[in-house]
Amino acid sequence: EPEVTQTPSHQVTQMGQEVILRCVPISNHLYFYWYRQILGQKVEFLVSFYNNEISEKSEIFDDQFSVERPDGSNFTLKIRSTKLEDSAMYFCASKDRGLSYEQYFGPGTRLTVT
Amino acid sequence: QQQVKQSPQSLIVQKGGISIINCAYENTAFDYFPWYQQFPGKGPALLIAIRPDVSEKKEGRFTISFNKSAKQFSLHIMDSQPGDSATYFCAASIKNYGGATNKLIFGTGTLLAVQP
Repeated sequence: EPEVTQTPSHQVTQMGQEVILRCVPISNHLYFYWYRQILGQKVEFLVSFYNNEISEKSEIFDDQFSVERPDGSNFTLKIRSTKLEDSAMYFCASKDRGLSYEQYFGPGTRLTVT
Repeated sequence: QQQVKQSPQSLIVQKGGISIINCAYENTAFDYFPWYQQFPGKGPALLIAIRPDVSEKKEGRFTISFNKSAKQFSLHIMDSQPGDSATYFCAASIKNYGGATNKLIFGTGTLLAVQP
């Protein structure tokens, strides 16, 4: 069964460093998302991406964040200068057609900022 | 208005019992209501979902009940099993006709423990 994959599973970085989280969405999907989940809290929407551009972003997704689909398979989230409060699980999700609603999540990347 | 309120925060059920988790929303523009199951260290997995044009949807032991007038929906897990022990999140989505991206807005989660 097709699934969303994410790498790395765990990333430890120092405050102020740049990190890139990688995702491979399900191959025929067209809509891509990043969500984050701070430990013990709910899952929060960060950004959605369609047709090679951001279609919506939350207040969390400030200038320190960027997303990119560098090739036909990867979808990346970059945090330019990490802060302690960026420590969270980051989930990538994907969805196929515009008329469908189902989003499928990857296993997540645990980001720890020290 | 973009919030989804979920209760209870935690739930303990005996094996074979019924687990019931409730969610409420305010925004009548929401038009898709999924439930996700999350095991520790894993991503949320889509369990079952409902659109507001039906009042109930059943898949195996999992049932969503939807009350449009009350703006509430609930997940019922029949014959609960220890393997069902996980965190359950309700969510809601609005179709964005400008981009059809329908971001998910999640509830706060319910930690379910099914005791053998």
